[in-house]
Amino acid sequence: GAGVSQSPSNKVTEKGKDVELRCDPISGHTALYWYRQSLGQGLEFLIYFQGNSAPDKSGLPSDRFSAERTGGSVSTLTIQRTQQEDSAVYLCASSFQDNQPQHFGDGTRLSIL
Amino acid sequence: GDSVTQMEGPVTLSEEAFLTINCTYTATGYPSLFWYVQYPGEGLQLLLKATKADDKGSNKGFEATYRKETTSFHLEKGSVQVSDSAVYFCALFRSGNTGKLIFGQGTTLQVKP
Repeated sequence: GAGVSQSPSNKVTEKGKDVELRCDPISGHTALYWYRQSLGQGLEFLIYFQGNSAPDKSGLPSDRFSAERTGGSVSTLTIQRTQQEDSAVYLCASSFQDNQPQHFGDGTRLSIL
Repeated sequence: GDSVTQMEGPVTLSEEAFLTINCTYTATGYPSLFWYVQYPGEGLQLLLKATKADDKGSNKGFEATYRKETTSFHLEKGSVQVSDSAVYFCALFRSGNTGKLIFGQGTTLQVKP
């Protein structure tokens, strides 16, 4: 597709379960970003990939959060042992280079019961 | 650290009214500045940008001027429409800072017919 694609669009899971969120960036975009949008916290940066490397992981809130990117394309954000405070919309963005405007996906709405 | 402050919403206007959403920033160096818009049920879309002082970004009738002396990037539109109802986010990034976006809290705009 032409835009950033994220899946699933909605995810409901029980506290303590692991979840995986997927992002397909725009073809040819080398930079990929994960953000989290939650009530009271606004939009927060989580992690940045350049190719398959993650030079900036400073926004990951705890060691339960991890992410990887393969083939310079698809990225997966994994949250282990989910907690209720992890409930949020997780947004992925990509750009041609890290100094170019970012294009966002529609996000994954994660709800932890 | 870098930060962005937006006027609190919600902002409620009648159709054809003049819109201003204030945005100020704190950053070292010379950041690039952006306005993103999130329509109901949709993802973030880039509305406009400015990369250096005194640049004016414009799109869809919206304008914002990069004012370094006042560290501001206020969003304006001369005549709003009902279809402009959305959440507006001001954001910055600094080159050499991995390109991650620092967002303001967002301002909800509601335009009534």
